[in-house]
Amino acid sequence: QQQVKQSPQSLIVQKGGISIINCAYENTAFDYFPWYQQFPGKGPALLIAIRPDVSEKKEGRFTISFNKSAKQFSLHIMDSQPGDSATYFCAASPFWGKFQFGAGTQVVVTP
Amino acid sequence: KAGVTQTPRYLIKTRGQQVTLSCSPISGHRSVSWYQQTPGQGLQFLFEYFSETQRNKGNFPGRFSGRQFSNSRSEMNVSTLELGDSALYLCASSFPVGGADTGELFFGEGSRLTVL
Repeated sequence: QQQVKQSPQSLIVQKGGISIINCAYENTAFDYFPWYQQFPGKGPALLIAIRPDVSEKKEGRFTISFNKSAKQFSLHIMDSQPGDSATYFCAASPFWGKFQFGAGTQVVVTP
Repeated sequence: KAGVTQTPRYLIKTRGQQVTLSCSPISGHRSVSWYQQTPGQGLQFLFEYFSETQRNKGNFPGRFSGRQFSNSRSEMNVSTLELGDSALYLCASSFPVGGADTGELFFGEGSRLTVL
């Protein structure tokens, strides 16, 4: 049973467009919400992360929006580039706990 | 600094056999966790070890087991392989676990297991 629900499964966006991936969770004990990026043949790598005491975090073209009351968080990729084509996983973890990952979103950025 | 190293990278087994996968964490990392990655299911948590102790366990059958050695290297074992065990098995290390700005998992490139 997926404790973190991620959508969409895949998306295609044109170069320069905005990619938006959404995640929802149920466990209010979750304290840490990272996003991981995975390229084919590689392991996932941390992209950006947020804790529930802030509603938004931005790093370059990547932004996490966090809605604690709705138990939802999302990743926005601004000015999407072909090099952003990858699979993105949201995750959640309680303090000192195991990570629960979403099912992943395959993002394809067309030239 | 060397990253997380997993061996073997690829292996093919037949149903009923067993397999052992190895993971060497980043130097100084004491926590090692294992994940199973399959298309459409994402990353499913198997177990986490910290200082040779299993601290967390996912919802996998007892055929899946692991251990961690005093040098933090870890192994996972799958016995009596089934076709559904075909997957990419990822190992991740971290240091320390939990706490502000310390939740990052560093993943290896995985061991791709095919069960025929």
